Amino acid sequence: QVQLQESGPGLVKPSETLSLTCTVSGGSISSYYWSWIRQPPGKGLEWIGYIYYSGSTNYNPSLKSRVTISVDTSKNQFSLKLSSVTAADTAVYYCARVLSGSGSPGVPYNWFDPWGQGTLVTVSS
Amino acid sequence: SSELTQDPAVSVALGQTVRITCQGDSLRSYYASWYQQKPGQAPVLVIYGKNNRPSGIPDRFSGSSSGNTASLTITGAQAEDEADYYCNSRDSSGIYVFGTGTKVTVL
Repeated sequence: QVQLQESGPGLVKPSETLSLTCTVSGGSISSYYWSWIRQPPGKGLEWIGYIYYSGSTNYNPSLKSRVTISVDTSKNQFSLKLSSVTAADTAVYYCARVLSGSGSPGVPYNWFDPWGQGTLVTVSS
Repeated sequence: SSELTQDPAVSVALGQTVRITCQGDSLRSYYASWYQQKPGQAPVLVIYGKNNRPSGIPDRFSGSSSGNTASLTITGAQAEDEADYYCNSRDSSGIYVFGTGTKVTVL
């Protein structure tokens, strides 16, 4: 089955750029949407954005000015870059696959599955 | 932007039934998905669509929706169901949002 694994530095300095990669194994990255989600310590989940395997993206409006998500289909990976980080960006970062369906009577729905195990990124000097 | 509101915490006696609700305007147009998260672990999908359970999720978990409210029901709660639960949905612009989360305590 498809498995996701996040990787990247666990410590980033304030004002620098956070960079993470999600490696997809057990299946192809093609034909799916892929997402980044984060969770500050002790707080709830926050959707960051998604990318389609073809490269189209959509971002959380609250982070849009600082976020870039890209995909490398040859490596079966997608990546997150978050610029000008502050302590408020300290969080566990998850990657996940986005799936979609349509129920009756034609009501659409989406879901995230599977998820990576998550990686803690701390912003500190 | 759309928001999804959940009760912060609920408790349920072992073996009893608990319902967790999620309210938001986007739920009038899109079904919610639900995630269980235990301490130190990644979220796990428990319900998606109208009332679909992924393989491996016990049938004591069920979902429903009416108007702007989605609900996750645990019928016959077990000790292992103690966790945080989050709903999620999207809007017509493809912007996703998670609910505020509900901590479920099994007494």
